[in-house]
Amino acid sequence: EADIYQTPRYLVIGTGKKITLECSQTMGHDKMYWYQQDPGMELHLIHYSYGVNSTEKGDLSSESTVSRIRTEHFPLTLESARPSHTSQYLCASSDSETGTGVHEQYFGPGTRLTVT
Amino acid sequence: AQKITQTQPGMFVQEKEAVTLDCTYDTSDPSYGLFWYKQPSSGEMIFLIYQGSYDQQNATEGRYSLNFQKARKSANLVISASQLGDSAMYFCAMREGRGGSYIPTFGRGTSLIVHP
Repeated sequence: EADIYQTPRYLVIGTGKKITLECSQTMGHDKMYWYQQDPGMELHLIHYSYGVNSTEKGDLSSESTVSRIRTEHFPLTLESARPSHTSQYLCASSDSETGTGVHEQYFGPGTRLTVT
Repeated sequence: AQKITQTQPGMFVQEKEAVTLDCTYDTSDPSYGLFWYKQPSSGEMIFLIYQGSYDQQNATEGRYSLNFQKARKSANLVISASQLGDSAMYFCAMREGRGGSYIPTFGRGTSLIVHP
């Protein structure tokens, strides 16, 4: 069972509010990812990190920021929430490809965000 | 251009029958990996099976097998003896080597419904 956690699981918030979605993993994985996904649709990569103090933007510009101060923690912040941010946000982690193995991604349960 | 193409938005199968979910990919990197994930209605993503580009044999994991045709750049997922619990979204993903910075790319997904 994957040891990756996301809080909150559900969030309803008003337009203009600042929110932080939490993601933590206890597997010691170097790589972490944030995806945005509308129900039944494809995943869009928002941000990713190769390790501590390393963050990169993905394909989708969602007016969000991330930080990676500790290996296990990769929070996503929306400075000013908008209705277009209403979606599911999935956090994932994987170990680096330096060793043998599959290096599959482990996903958290997701945060369903609704911006009113 | 889409790196991962899943042409079947929805598939239906009778319980206990086999079903094939299609996935084609596009890469010029000789080193890559192909993944299949399952996403039930609850939202979490579950890793199913992996195929490396240098693997000589098709991957199998229980009722899941991957029909890997390298020359055709296809990596179809075969589910044998379908069960009602197999009803879910299925995503194909590719992780390229150095050219892709080892960041997975996902397809749009296929919705599978298993009928009793």
